[in-house]
Amino acid sequence: QQQVKQSPQSLIVQKGGISIINCAYENTAFDYFPWYQQFPGKGPALLIAIRPDVSEKKEGRFTISFNKSAKQFSLHIMDSQPGDSATYFCAASKKMDSSYKLIFGSGTRLLVRP
Amino acid sequence: NAGVTQTPKFRVLKTGQSMTLLCAQDMNHEYMYWYRQDPGMGLRLIHYSVGEGTTAKGEVPDGYNVSRLKKQNFLLGLESAAPSQTSVYFCASRNRALKNQPQHFGDGTRLSIL
Repeated sequence: QQQVKQSPQSLIVQKGGISIINCAYENTAFDYFPWYQQFPGKGPALLIAIRPDVSEKKEGRFTISFNKSAKQFSLHIMDSQPGDSATYFCAASKKMDSSYKLIFGSGTRLLVRP
Repeated sequence: NAGVTQTPKFRVLKTGQSMTLLCAQDMNHEYMYWYRQDPGMGLRLIHYSVGEGTTAKGEVPDGYNVSRLKKQNFLLGLESAAPSQTSVYFCASRNRALKNQPQHFGDGTRLSIL
């Protein structure tokens, strides 16, 4: 019930295309869903996040779509650029044992070809 | 603005050796976390701390110990290193005050156990 399942494992997109990464969860107690972007040799950095009372959040070319009834959420990258090539992690958070913990998906390695 | 700093960045150990990884944050965050990142498995929580002098076990705590003697520092120790502990280790911190706050990550320590 604590798992977050992420797909695909890897993704290749042409410059200008749309990248879509999907995640699913089981525990309805999760109340915060962030996406992290990680470049080689660096730590994950928060990209965008959503609460379950919102169905969509957009920040520039990045959009999270959230389907509470299906317990699924996805990241859409519009007009994908070579600089977007990175590993993306979805995560889900809830308060557990006096702390807020993140449960991470397994990651998606995105390559945007020029 | 340093954020979260991890030392060392790389280390090679022999099986059975011990070592300590240091995490320091300058954001006055109460919560601190240690994760390990392995291919295809996302980030898994090892131990965490909700404040100075307190620590708790995460998802994969076996073989690791931690200490939080000062608010800004969180140490991860390997008592007797094993090849299965070869991984990239990330430290993170977050503010306790607000509910939906991101975790801020360091750039990791790449550890190889021979």
